[in-house]
Formats: sequence, structure tokens, C-alpha cells
Amino acid sequence: QVQLVQSGAEVKKPGASVKVSCKTSGYTFTTYGINWVRQAPGQGLEWMGRISTYNGNTNYAQKVQGRVTMTTDASTSTAYMDLRSLRSDDTAIYYCARDRSAGDLTFDYWGQGTLVTVSS
Amino acid sequence: EIVLTQSPATLSLSPGERATLSCRASQSVDTYLAWYQQKPGQAPRLLIYDASNRVTGVPARFGGSGSGTDFTLTISSLEPEDFAVYYCQQRRNWPPLTFGGGTKVEIK
Repeated sequence: QVQLVQSGAEVKKPGASVKVSCKTSGYTFTTYGINWVRQAPGQGLEWMGRISTYNGNTNYAQKVQGRVTMTTDASTSTAYMDLRSLRSDDTAIYYCARDRSAGDLTFDYWGQGTLVTVSS
Repeated sequence: EIVLTQSPATLSLSPGERATLSCRASQSVDTYLAWYQQKPGQAPRLLIYDASNRVTGVPARFGGSGSGTDFTLTISSLEPEDFAVYYCQQRRNWPPLTFGGGTKVEIK
């Protein structure tokens, strides 16, 4: 069965960086893109960006452009999201989510979420 | 950027009642719209894709309709497990891919 398992919660100071992993299983990794979506406490869903697991192409939301890098390791079927220069408003649950089909940015499988807390 | 506006923000209903949730787009998204359900402490769950296609395993009481700028998610008869927050999401124009602000369906 398809699974996306994320790394554990992180606490970071303002200005630091965080790297969240998303290990996938149960399907061919390079067939479906991986997206990152975050949710601030009590708030809605915000799409951060997507990486093609086929060729590594990335698209980022303007709000995080310049601070975020999404990568993959096909040998371990794992996707990564690296966010730099953290601010207090980056405190959120970060989810990875898989494209429903090739090029279809509807998310059929999600990771369990990783809480990132930014606090001095 | 396509803005999705969901209404109402909160819907207070009793089990067995019909729920009608609205999602309006700032410009046409054709039928490239999905609906998700999110319960506290859980990741979102895909219910409906391409406006009206129910995901395998989603109960038939969930139905999606609409095209262009106006969409509706209908729950024909609320079950206790349906009380949750529902989000719409468009994939017509991206980046950025966008979500609506959500509708909370709560027990009256």
C-alpha cells in the first residue's frame, strides 16, 4: 500500500534552517510528483511547491521562493524540503503529498505531517 | 493567482441533515477542482477530484458538482464521522496551486 512517512517534529530558532523528509513506499517513486503543503496553527492549507520526481524540476510558491529547496533521492524513494531563514510565522505542520496521477496536482496520499516550531 | 472563496465558514447541522458547501473561484478553473476533508490531528483526505469524481472508498453521500467558477460539495445525510473541515483546491492555473479557506461542519 502507498505510504508517505515524514520525519519527526522540530524546534528551531529564528534564522535557522530545517529539513523535513518524506519517505515513500508502495509505488514507483519517479512516476508521481511530490508537493509540500503547510498549515499554520488553526489556519488553512498553503501550497509551498512541487518537485517532479522524474526529472527534479521544481515549482515554488512566491511566498517561500528563495528560502525553500525541494529535492529527492530516488535510491531511497525519499523527498526532502529544506526551509532556511526561519521566522516565527513559519511555525506550522508541514505535509508532503503525492500527485494523484502524472501531472495531476490533486493529492491522493499525504504524509502524517511534521510540526516545525520556530521560537527563540 | 486564483483565489478560492468558501462559504459558509461554519455550518452547524445535525446528523441526518443535508450539508451544502460552496467554493467560488476568482476566475474559471474549468473542472480542475478537488475537495478534501480534514479532521483534527489528521492530514487532509481527498474526497472528490475534477469537480465531481468521487475517490474510491468515499461514501456515496458525498457529491461534487459545478464548473467554471462555482462549485458545490453536498453531503446528502450527515453521519457523525462527517463533522470536519472541508477544503477546495484548484489545479487549473499554477503556480501557485491554491486552496480555499475551508468550511467547518460542526454538530448543532
